[in-house]
Amino acid sequence: GQNIDQPTEMTATEGAIVQINCTYQTSGFNGLFWYQQHAGEAPTFLSYNVLDGLEEKGRFSSFLSRSKGYSYLLLKELQMKDSASYLCAVRGPITGGGNKLTFGTGTQLKVEL
Amino acid sequence: DTAVSQTPKYLVTQMGNDKSIKCEQNLGHDTMYWYKQDSKKFLKIMFSYNNKELIINETVPNRFSPKSPDKAHLNLHINSLELGDSAVYFCASKTGTGGYEQYFGPGTRLTVT
Repeated sequence: GQNIDQPTEMTATEGAIVQINCTYQTSGFNGLFWYQQHAGEAPTFLSYNVLDGLEEKGRFSSFLSRSKGYSYLLLKELQMKDSASYLCAVRGPITGGGNKLTFGTGTQLKVEL
Repeated sequence: DTAVSQTPKYLVTQMGNDKSIKCEQNLGHDTMYWYKQDSKKFLKIMFSYNNKELIINETVPNRFSPKSPDKAHLNLHINSLELGDSAVYFCASKTGTGGYEQYFGPGTRLTVT
């Protein structure tokens, strides 16, 4: 199975940089995802890492170390609209065309003035 | 244009009733999913279908029965509703060929009284 840990809450200041960590223990690994979920809305895809290293996409970057079972999501130039829950998810072995995602409990980020 | 849609958005019902939630995607994807997000915001997979075939079936009470009439639709029927079934249910879809990003529907908030 999968075990995924991430902090429950974080607070940061508008314009600053914040790093949200995620550690995982898994039996079978086929990539790690970060999703953003605003209150009352659906999760939306932010990033996908399957190889070690940093993936950058605008203000958001995601890092993966498979040997350490560790990932982080880096948000730069924080804006108020970045206040949301950030979900780390690990993809397990692919079966029959599907990929099962196991989600962490999410990190609620609050951006303050 | 709606990519993944669900009906209804809100559903309030009494214990013991039977209800259905419908999901449709117009993305041409092969794989569809049902997730349950509880009051603590923990998002957990329930079922997955690939081209109308059940490929993921987590430990879910058999009161829950998914049905996929075609690859664009995945419905969820729940018998004998219980208080603990209260949650937000999300449908998602993914292309079956080489894709990894799952697109989520807006969610159905089910409240059992």
